[in-house]
Amino acid sequence: RKEVEQDPGPFNVPEGATVAFNCTYSNSASQSFFWYRQDCRKEPKLLMSVYSSGNEDGRFTAQLNRASQYISLLIRDSKLSDSATYLCVVNGQTGANNLFFGTGTRLTVIP
Amino acid sequence: DTEVTQTPKHLVMGMTNKKSLKCEQHMGHRAMYWYKQKAKKPPELMFVYSYEKLSINESVPSRFSPECPNSSLLNLHLHALQPEDSALYLCASSPLDRVEGNEQYFGPGTRLTVT
Repeated sequence: RKEVEQDPGPFNVPEGATVAFNCTYSNSASQSFFWYRQDCRKEPKLLMSVYSSGNEDGRFTAQLNRASQYISLLIRDSKLSDSATYLCVVNGQTGANNLFFGTGTRLTVIP
Repeated sequence: DTEVTQTPKHLVMGMTNKKSLKCEQHMGHRAMYWYKQKAKKPPELMFVYSYEKLSINESVPSRFSPECPNSSLLNLHLHALQPEDSALYLCASSPLDRVEGNEQYFGPGTRLTVT
């Protein structure tokens, strides 16, 4: 079983739509959770960390459900510039600094 | 300054060449990483340095040799590579002084082609 599994996508949505990505992780001892975005032929950029209480940054909302080992990312009012691959990333146990990456979900926002 | 820099941006090398990739960060981070990424795949961890000491080597072939001269610099020495080693090589850094978080920040990568 993979450490991190994501919706494979691709997601093609119109501008202004709301889109949600889901991710599950296998290691119940994982402590840190992140969403990164990666544009074509560029490096991954940290979008947001995911905290137990859930967190919001503008149009982006991340949720964590430890009991179900499930992470989500909601994007409201999609912009053309949101088109990218979104990577769900999970750290190992506390103190371990190796990250496990999901395979990514490709989002295309259509005019 | 939240930037990780990498040089060169692009590198083409023959299978008998020796070359080095360089990475630098000035965020005071004490962990640095090398990843390899093939097209349409997620990054794969190669090496982790914590406090300038190699802490993780993900069974990487010896033709890749990492070096951490100081807390700001990370090198990857390449020798006798194979065409299948062609990929984007990403450097990242993270602070080590947090229990949670410890976000990694990536450099722009070196796109390597082995001929």
